[in-house]
Amino acid sequence: NAGVMQNPRHLVRRRGQEARLRCSPMKGHSHVYWYRQLPEEGLKFMVYLQKENIIDESGMPKERFSAEFPKEGPSILRIQQVVRGDSAAYFCASSPTQGAADEAFFGQGTRLTVV
Amino acid sequence: DAKTTQPPSMDCAEGRAANLPCNHSTISGNEYVYWYRQIHSQGPQYIIHGLKNNETNEMASLIITEDRKSSTLILPHATLRDTAVYYCIVRVKSGNQFYFGTGTSLTVIP
Repeated sequence: NAGVMQNPRHLVRRRGQEARLRCSPMKGHSHVYWYRQLPEEGLKFMVYLQKENIIDESGMPKERFSAEFPKEGPSILRIQQVVRGDSAAYFCASSPTQGAADEAFFGQGTRLTVV
Repeated sequence: DAKTTQPPSMDCAEGRAANLPCNHSTISGNEYVYWYRQIHSQGPQYIIHGLKNNETNEMASLIITEDRKSSTLILPHATLRDTAVYYCIVRVKSGNQFYFGTGTSLTVIP
């Protein structure tokens, strides 16, 4: 059973470009979480999705950021018109249910560098 | 808001048990205690979780006090590869997210 897969592992974008980060959850997992980690800081929750639904986006910046988890295919975190402050590691996690008893497993992250 | 308190850093001699404390005095009755660790800048790795009873798996043991206001993660025989930041997390009631605080930076010393 493959773990949570994120790609690309490293992404370089110029200011103003778009960044698309992909996350394929573990098999059988229908719940996906996105976190951001700025250099030398802890992980900050961004958004929680189930298939085709955004459940909690309380950690998402109001502009330029969006996320989706379609019925088929990976979850996508999209950042439009990137700025230098978007440079960070973005981690995705998945779990089989929403229940507090179920652990979530994390991918290895996508490291975004905005130049 | 942070619901857990951990010491910022700890050292442990290789081969000895590492005992990482966590205070979660405001925990609710149906909230679980989770432990994750992050080695260097890799993705967080799940270690263990529990509700009321002590738990043990191949990686670690989790000791939760009877009043559930604190817990201790025990790595029985620390190795250099256990050097990491360890996060104690109280899983919020809705289960929507894990709140990562600042964690404890554990350094295993040869």
